[in-house]
Amino acid sequence: AQSVSQHNHHVILSEAASLELGCNYSYGGTVNLFWYVQYPGQHLQLLLKYFSGDPLVKGIKGFEAEFIKSKFSFNLRKPSVQWSDTAEYFCAVNARNAGNMLTFGGGTRLMVKP
Amino acid sequence: DTAVSQTPKYLVTQMGNDKSIKCEQNLGHDTMYWYKQDSKKFLKIMFSYNNKELIINETVPNRFSPKSPDKAHLNLHINSLELGDSAVYFCASSQPASFKQSPLHFGNGTRLTVT
Repeated sequence: AQSVSQHNHHVILSEAASLELGCNYSYGGTVNLFWYVQYPGQHLQLLLKYFSGDPLVKGIKGFEAEFIKSKFSFNLRKPSVQWSDTAEYFCAVNARNAGNMLTFGGGTRLMVKP
Repeated sequence: DTAVSQTPKYLVTQMGNDKSIKCEQNLGHDTMYWYKQDSKKFLKIMFSYNNKELIINETVPNRFSPKSPDKAHLNLHINSLELGDSAVYFCASSQPASFKQSPLHFGNGTRLTVT
């Protein structure tokens, strides 16, 4: 069975600080990888996705993520966070032979102080 | 235009009652899902339907029964509600294209509170 781990449960940063949120998955086969964001009181929205090709993926709002296959990781980064980035961030994995089931990590709550 | 819409947004009810949450998507997607988000924000899939047929049924009590009258709708009926059912329930849809699953589009969620 596939699983997704997000080791940082809570992150507090000041504006303009750089961000890196960790995501590791456990599955030996080919995977699709996603990062979703949930702003306070809102539904989940897609930030970025990786299917194949360039392992460095750029998403919306200045976010990017790097797929490192050897480390089973898909960390999310942003060089300079803003107060409006305060949200919950979810990493998700969909693996071959797992149907359409997307497995989510436990989420990381990011708070950006103005 | 709301792509995935759920109703109601809030649902407060007593233990033992039966309630339903409705979900509709206008994206033309074939696949719809129900996810449960608990108080710790942990998201777990409950059901997945592809073209009105159940394809994923995770370990969910029989009190939960999804119904898909057509591929644009996936409703969730819950019998004999328990305190532990309190959570936010998200409907989602996607258009699977072989292995390259399209991203999920989520509804705004239904916050269920069982008292």
